Amino acid sequence: AQSVTQLGSHVSVSEGALVLLRCNYSSSVPPYLFWYVQYPNQGLQLLLKYTSAATLVKGINGFEAEFKKSETSFHLTKPSAHMSDAAEYFCAVSATNNNDMRFGAGTRLTVKP
Amino acid sequence: EAGVTQSPTHLIKTRGQQVTLRCSPISGHTSVYWYQQALGLGLQFLLWYDEGEERNRGNFPPRFSGRQFPNYSSELNVNALELEDSALYLCASSRWDSPLHFGNGTRLTVT
Repeated sequence: AQSVTQLGSHVSVSEGALVLLRCNYSSSVPPYLFWYVQYPNQGLQLLLKYTSAATLVKGINGFEAEFKKSETSFHLTKPSAHMSDAAEYFCAVSATNNNDMRFGAGTRLTVKP
Repeated sequence: EAGVTQSPTHLIKTRGQQVTLRCSPISGHTSVYWYQQALGLGLQFLLWYDEGEERNRGNFPPRFSGRQFPNYSSELNVNALELEDSALYLCASSRWDSPLHFGNGTRLTVT
């Protein structure tokens, strides 16, 4: 079975600072990994996905994530935070592309002016 | 391309009542997933429908049920509502080769 653990339920950064949201996964097979973002009163929007083509994955809104098998990690980063990045971020893992996706508990990102 | 649509957006029910939530997937998507997002509990997988059949369900009691119609839209039914059923219910759709695309959810409040 697959699972993910997101380290830190809340992360606060200043505008312009580096954003780092941590995710560690557990999977018995090569995983598919995803990051989703949820803005208030909305559903989840796909930021990026890892499907073994490349270890560094670039997503929308300037976010990227690096797959590190040795560390079983898939941390999300953005070089410079913007106020509009304030949202909840979910890491997810699946053994296929979709139908057994399991989500982490989420990390709420706050961006201070 | 229209996204995943869910109705209603908000709902208030009394304990013991029954509720039906609806979801229309993106055109061309044959799979529909239901998740419960309760405060502080993250996203919990409820049900997965594909081609009209229930393919998998999460760790929820049988009073949570649903179905998928020939046009791939889906309903989630919850019977004998309990206070702890208050949550945002999210529907997602996908094709076999795509990640999940989510709707904006139905906010259910049980009083």
